[in-house]
Amino acid sequence: SQQGEEDPQALSIQEGENATMNCSYKTSINNLQWYRQNSGRGLVHLILIRSNEREKHSGRLRVTLDTSKKSSSLLITASRAADTASYFCATIGFPGRRALTFGSGTRLQVQP
Amino acid sequence: EAGVTQSPTHLIKTRGQQATLRCSPISGHTSVYWYQQALGLGLQFLLWYDEGEERNRGNFPPRFSGRQFPNYSSELNVNALELEDSALYLCASSYGTGGKSNQPQHFGDGTRLSIL
Repeated sequence: SQQGEEDPQALSIQEGENATMNCSYKTSINNLQWYRQNSGRGLVHLILIRSNEREKHSGRLRVTLDTSKKSSSLLITASRAADTASYFCATIGFPGRRALTFGSGTRLQVQP
Repeated sequence: EAGVTQSPTHLIKTRGQQATLRCSPISGHTSVYWYQQALGLGLQFLLWYDEGEERNRGNFPPRFSGRQFPNYSSELNVNALELEDSALYLCASSYGTGGKSNQPQHFGDGTRLSIL
């Protein structure tokens, strides 16, 4: 079963615009990770944020985590056509568990 | 550094047959994970192997099984194939249980299994 939902399910923007995706989860977590998947291929790890962190940056990516609301957001700034992909959040709970529980994903389309 | 490799890329089987999928982890990684991505069901955890042992299992029937070899590569076996087993099967690897718990999993490109 899915840990949570992602919002929106699909997002279409123009190149250069920012894209924001939201993720909600249901249970306590150890960390939350964001992955990208291009057209039915494997997942590419983007960023990991620990449960005691509130914000993290990596290049054009900014992730926030609100454990009180059990939610996270991924912001991609100055989007490019190459950012077109599906984006998934995934969580790992406690204790010592390694199984990722994925959200339903957001399909991002960046128009050139 | 070579990434996670999976074989075959595509596999076509008929109902009732058995399928074997293979995965080679990143060098130095001892943990291997298997996930199923089926249409309409999303990404679901199947199995986690570390140091040759099954550490955790998702909510799948026993006909889904696997093993991890001494070189840390892994096989996923699916017996008595059913139509709903059609999916993309993804393998991931990471450092093992002796390492940090907060680490990413690195995925291969998957094996697309089609059941006719």
